[in-house]
Amino acid sequence: DQQVKQNSPSLSVQEGRISILNCDYTNSMFDYFLWYKKYPAEGPTFLISISSIKDKNEDGRFTVFLNKSAKHLSLHIVPSQPGDSAVYFCAASGGYSTLTFGKGTMLLVSP
Amino acid sequence: NAGVTQTPKFQVLKTGQSMTLQCAQDMNHNSMYWYRQDPGMGLRLIYYSASEGTTDKGEVPNGYNVSRLNKREFSLRLESAAPSQTSVYFCASSGVAGGYEQYFGPGTRLTVT
Repeated sequence: DQQVKQNSPSLSVQEGRISILNCDYTNSMFDYFLWYKKYPAEGPTFLISISSIKDKNEDGRFTVFLNKSAKHLSLHIVPSQPGDSAVYFCAASGGYSTLTFGKGTMLLVSP
Repeated sequence: NAGVTQTPKFQVLKTGQSMTLQCAQDMNHNSMYWYRQDPGMGLRLIYYSASEGTTDKGEVPNGYNVSRLNKREFSLRLESAAPSQTSVYFCASSGVAGGYEQYFGPGTRLTVT
């Protein structure tokens, strides 16, 4: 039973355009959501997070949107850069639980 | 600050052999975690330690044991390696237990033949 789903295994975007990565969750107890970025042969690095009391959090080129009623969150990258090419993992937690990760979306930003 | 370090980076084992993966963090974090990453499977939690002296099972603990040696170090042991344990293993740490920002090491790529 996958509680965090990233339904797009990959996404291709041109440099300068917007990248939108999506994530759905099923567990109503989740109240904190995170995005991680992972380059090949490296560990994941924390990118941005959002609490369920908010519907948007912005950090530079990265914005995460949360739609609690739809149990959906998205990561927007504007403008996209070739260095953003990586695998992006969505993760969620609730209460004192540990993180539950999605399977990841590979983003390719072409010049 | 080195952050989270893991040794070794690569390892090849034969079925039935044992080995210990080492992890250390220098961020004075209380909580530490072991994950495995398999193609198309995302990151799955093997074991975690919410604080020094405690360990708990995660989603996929079978075939593994852990030791929280001190606040800095958290090791993962495979007593009798199986081909199904071929994976990339990541250690992570966080300042507080639970689902908050975790900081990951570079990973250990393990192949069991």
